[in-house]
Amino acid sequence: QKEVEQDPGPLSVPEGAIVSLNCTYSNSAFQYFMWYRQYSRKGPELLMYTYSSGNKEDGRFTAQVDKSSKYISLFIRDSQPSDSATYLCAMSGLTGGGNKLTFGTGTQLKVEL
Amino acid sequence: DGGITQSPKYLFRKEGQNVTLSCEQNLNHDAMYWYRQDPGQGLRLIYYSQIVNDFQKGDIAEGYSVSREKKESFPLTVTSAQKNPTAFYLCASSPTGDEAPLHFGNGTRLTVT
Repeated sequence: QKEVEQDPGPLSVPEGAIVSLNCTYSNSAFQYFMWYRQYSRKGPELLMYTYSSGNKEDGRFTAQVDKSSKYISLFIRDSQPSDSATYLCAMSGLTGGGNKLTFGTGTQLKVEL
Repeated sequence: DGGITQSPKYLFRKEGQNVTLSCEQNLNHDAMYWYRQDPGQGLRLIYYSQIVNDFQKGDIAEGYSVSREKKESFPLTVTSAQKNPTAFYLCASSPTGDEAPLHFGNGTRLTVT
């Protein structure tokens, strides 16, 4: 079993829909949680960065962490075609530097007109 | 603009040849990383460096080598000992080795035939 599980998709939604992207994990030591967006043939860019449990909102994006269930989510409201990309979750423990990050495999999202 | 520059974007080599991928950053970050991305797999850490003239192996260092002679530069050499070198290679950096969110370059696609 992988430490971080992420449905690869592809997930196809109509423009304007609310999108829910999820990751589950098995390591209870994870404390820092990140979401990255990666366009085709580009490097990942950081979207959201949260510590421990709770919600964090930034514009149309909301990150949610439920440590009791070992489950994190990224919600995208009013989805746009420009949101079409692969979304990677990543997480690390308290002593987590970049060398301690564990990544999900990514979910491919397509927002259609 | 501050960022990470990887070159070239595409690289083609014959089997048995060593090849060096360039990574330069002007973010004044101490820590730099090399990841490999393959379809259906999460990003896997090859090497990382938290300070000039020092670097450590990641999870899949076999067949790769690095150097860190300058703060802004962290080149990766893919040697002929690497059994499956064809992949998308990503360079990243963070302010220090203890800070998890990474800034990524746009990658180099290496194809070895």
